[in-house]
Amino acid sequence: DTEVTQTPKHLVMGMTNKKSLKCEQHMGHRAMYWYKQKAKKPPELMFVYSYEKLSINESVPSRFSPECPNSSLLNLHLHALQPEDSALYLCASSQVGQSNEKLFFGSGTQLSVL
Amino acid sequence: GEDVEQSLFLSVREGDSSVINCTYTDSSSTYLYWYKQEPGAGLQLLTYIFSNMDMKQDQRLTVLLNKKDKHLSLRIADTQTGDSAIYFCAEHGSGNTGKLIFGQGTTLQVKP
Repeated sequence: DTEVTQTPKHLVMGMTNKKSLKCEQHMGHRAMYWYKQKAKKPPELMFVYSYEKLSINESVPSRFSPECPNSSLLNLHLHALQPEDSALYLCASSQVGQSNEKLFFGSGTQLSVL
Repeated sequence: GEDVEQSLFLSVREGDSSVINCTYTDSSSTYLYWYKQEPGAGLQLLTYIFSNMDMKQDQRLTVLLNKKDKHLSLRIADTQTGDSAIYFCAEHGSGNTGKLIFGQGTTLQVKP
């Protein structure tokens, strides 16, 4: 099983809303990632969790708040987003978060901010 | 810094071979990857090659690696309409993290 599951698949929210994106994997991976992808562009790293601790934050605005409640789950809490935050948000996982590991991606959440 | 470059677009006829090229800068990357992204979908790990290999074949896919020139290619034999997608090559960033650096992606259009 190499599946990473993301919910919801689509999300529309206003600039004053609070919402959360969810990601789950059952491969026993201890590293989980959030990537942001704009249309026709490559994914860009936002956050990395390794052993449930935040190890990389790529200078992401505080209106994005990640959370890793356990080794299988990763959340991204959204608050006061801007229209330019509309994008595909991809979750990924790998074994422990080192440079010789394959990353497995979910199918993403397509977010629209109105 | 790390940089991965790809051509943006390739159009082929069904049944032909497709070759997608990529150049990278960080020669310390242990693995190099090819991901496929269909419209509205996430990234699917298509294949990968260990940095001490020159070639890897997996059914219709052949990956060639030229470490001296830092050049990676993906050849798809007998290209089908279902192969139409964006193909990203990727390498690991510097430091011992799982961070992947992606190329801009090559859109492969397969004409019937």
